Amino acid sequence: DTAVSQTPKYLVTQMGNDKSIKCEQNLGHDTMYWYKQDSKKFLKIMFSYNNKELIINETVPNRFSPKSPDKAHLNLHINSLELGDSAVYFCASSQDWDTSGNEQFFGPGTRLTVL
Amino acid sequence: AQSVTQPDIHITVSEGASLELRCNYSYGATPYLFWYVQSPGQGLQLLLKYFSGDTLVQGIKGFEAEFKRSQSSFNLRKPSVHWSDAAEYFCAVAPYNTDKLIFGTGTRLQVFP
Repeated sequence: DTAVSQTPKYLVTQMGNDKSIKCEQNLGHDTMYWYKQDSKKFLKIMFSYNNKELIINETVPNRFSPKSPDKAHLNLHINSLELGDSAVYFCASSQDWDTSGNEQFFGPGTRLTVL
Repeated sequence: AQSVTQPDIHITVSEGASLELRCNYSYGATPYLFWYVQSPGQGLQLLLKYFSGDTLVQGIKGFEAEFKRSQSSFNLRKPSVHWSDAAEYFCAVAPYNTDKLIFGTGTRLQVFP
């Protein structure tokens, strides 16, 4: 059973389009995250949700809008895609937010290419 | 601000050789420290973590790491590398009472037979 799954695995689209990436975790975790990994492999947190509430928003352009319909799902919608949005986007989850140092479980990533 | 430095972008070792990957952090208090591994085309997997206590931490796949407060370091070691260890390794720090991971830039490990 996949613990953290993401769809799609690959996404190729044109500049200016709007696209969504979906994430689901079946671990019963309370907290979910979105990370962006750029072409140099640098990983940076974008958002964190705890029990469907936004906890972290790391100065990400407002073209990016996360949505958590329930605590098992955290989707990422991107409006007006730009070339610089090309990256691998990772979803992750952890037990909760209040206790430090919880292991984060990562999904397999979604490679977004903007042409 | 918290930060993590991994000085080695790329390391190549022979199978069976020992390995040490360096990690230095910048944080005002004792941080929570992690090492993650990313195999090609995969997500990240936790190797080990340090919060407090014994400064030598054992992890999965035969890895260990040592926390040295005086050097602000948390280096990852393995006594004998296997070809399957070839991957990207990330050191990360989480400030106290958060799960916000701040990653280093990663070290790519190549293993030759």
